Formats: sequence, C-alpha cells, structure tokens
Amino acid sequence: EAGVTQFPSHSVIEKGQTVTLRCDPISGHDNLYWYRRVMGKEIKFLLHFVKESKQDESGMPNNRFLAERTGGTYSTLKVQPAELEDSGVYFCASSPYGTAYNEQFFGPGTRLTVL
Amino acid sequence: DAKTTQPPSMDCAEGRAANLPCNHSTISGNEYVYWYRQIHSQGPQYIIHGLKNNETNEMASLIITEDRKSSTLILPHATLRDTAVYYCIVESNFGNEKLTFGTGTRLTIIP
Repeated sequence: EAGVTQFPSHSVIEKGQTVTLRCDPISGHDNLYWYRRVMGKEIKFLLHFVKESKQDESGMPNNRFLAERTGGTYSTLKVQPAELEDSGVYFCASSPYGTAYNEQFFGPGTRLTVL
Repeated sequence: DAKTTQPPSMDCAEGRAANLPCNHSTISGNEYVYWYRQIHSQGPQYIIHGLKNNETNEMASLIITEDRKSSTLILPHATLRDTAVYYCIVESNFGNEKLTFGTGTRLTIIP
C-alpha cells in the first residue's frame, strides 16, 4: 500500500512568487492534515480536512496561504505571494476518519526555500 | 502549546535499551500519551500510545506512572536506525485531532 506522497520534494522560489504544494493521502483516508516546520521551530499544525471540508484551519498563518482538497482526494497548499519567513518543511498527514486513536501517517515533506 | 516536557537530547549505546522520559503533569483524564518520532529527512512516524496502562508493540514499550504525570518510552534494543527526534504528545483520544508537537528529544544511538 502506498504511503502519503508529497510533491515536490524541494522547491526554491523568490520572494513574491507563488508556490503550490501537493499532497496525496493514503487511499481511503478522509482526514488530511497540513503541518510545517520553519527553521529552528517546532512542527506546527496548519489545517485539517475531513474529506473536502475544512474541519480546522486555526493554524493557517495568514491569508497568503490557501488550502484545497478537491473531491476529498488530494490536497494542495498554495502560498501567494511567498515571503522569506515561509521557508521550511511542509508535511502532510492522513488518517482514517473515526478511528479509535490518533495515528497519523505522514508524508516525507516538501522543503520550501524562499529567497 | 505543547503540554509535555522532554530532555533535549540523549545518547544510547547500540543494542542497549533506550529510555526516553516525558513529563506531562497537567494531563487531564481524557487525554492519552502519544509518542511519535522523526528520522532525519522523513516525516514523523507514530510509535505507540497509552492512557494509564503500560503498553507494548513491535516497536516499543510505554510505561505510564500511576498518577499519569510522566511516562517513559522504551526502545528495548536500540539500533542505529533508531537515531531520531522523539516526540511525546498529550492529546484527547479522538482519532481526528491535530497533533501538537513540542521540541522533542534528539536520541543518538552510538555504535
């Protein structure tokens, strides 16, 4: 069974440009989460989808970040325009809905560098 | 904010048991203790979780004190591949909750 995949693995862009990160969760997982780690900081929650609906977006830093999950399958996270402080590693995780415990399956992350 | 306190780093000799402590003195009755780890250049990985009883799986054992204010993750025979940052996370046990990561413990397995 394929795990959570993320694309691209690395992205280098200039300040002011737009970048779109993609996450493909494990098939059948209705929960999809985005997290990020910026340099020297802890891994922080960004938002949570249940199928195509945003369940919790309390961690989204500002309106430059837009997450979508078309048809409840893959998800994209767009940063527009990117700022220097957006540099970091963006992780996606998925899990089945309604499980008895909180095991989330993480992808390898996308390393974003904003110059 | 994370509800746990962990030592920033630990070393362990290869083949020995690695014991990673975690303090969670403000844990509430419906909260579980979860352990995840992040191996370099990979995403975090679930290890184990527990409420009040000790738990064991193929990866590790989890010992929770009777007052539930602290716990210890035990890797019984550490290998070089266990070198990682280990996170102790306290969360309610609903399968849809976000995870709140702290700073974790950087465990280095020494050959």
